[in-house]
Amino acid sequence: DADVTQTPRNRITKTGKRIMLECSQTKGHDRMYWYRQDPGLGLRLIYYSFDVKDINKGEISDGYSVSRQAQAKFSLSLESAIPNQTALYFCATSDPVVGYTFGSGTRLTVV
Amino acid sequence: AQRVTQPEKLLSVFKGAPVELKCNYSYSGSPELFWYVQYSRQRLQLLLRHISRESIKGFTADLNKGETSFHLKKPFAQEEDSAMYYCALSGQGAQKLVFGQGTRLTINP
Repeated sequence: DADVTQTPRNRITKTGKRIMLECSQTKGHDRMYWYRQDPGLGLRLIYYSFDVKDINKGEISDGYSVSRQAQAKFSLSLESAIPNQTALYFCATSDPVVGYTFGSGTRLTVV
Repeated sequence: AQRVTQPEKLLSVFKGAPVELKCNYSYSGSPELFWYVQYSRQRLQLLLRHISRESIKGFTADLNKGETSFHLKKPFAQEEDSAMYYCALSGQGAQKLVFGQGTRLTINP
């Protein structure tokens, strides 16, 4: 009954491959986000979307792209994966009253 | 510029001792401040939100606008408090969050 579901949970991919991380939510929130977590750096914002027609770059968008297929779905793509994109990726949703809800994360390793 | 600074990457205290995790911020305007906790291999969970003024799991945090700080405190640490703690801020109305680097808290028995 997870509110924010990320798939896959773990993925190992090779340098140069294209990979998509998926996020779906049942919260009914318009706002969705993708963050990456690296030791010592905290969470940094990659992209965010305030509704289906709104896509915005975050702090570290280079090398990534996103697609907001519906209110409930927000996918993150690595066009050509590189080793320094190895990280834990979190999807989140938000609402002004409820605040943020985070997914369980996708651990991505680029070899 | 929006920035959150957590000066301690690691903090270790004994069970029963007081805990204080430091957080300083810079923001032009009136931010919302949060503390999130991440237990081992779990998702981030909201611990505190400054506007709610709640005490969760014995933790409290006071927003000090003069010192631009939002330190997290607990008078008596428990072993189950061992986790990663993140301070974060956003603009009004749950806009995008800016996180600090995180502090890993370890409670020794």
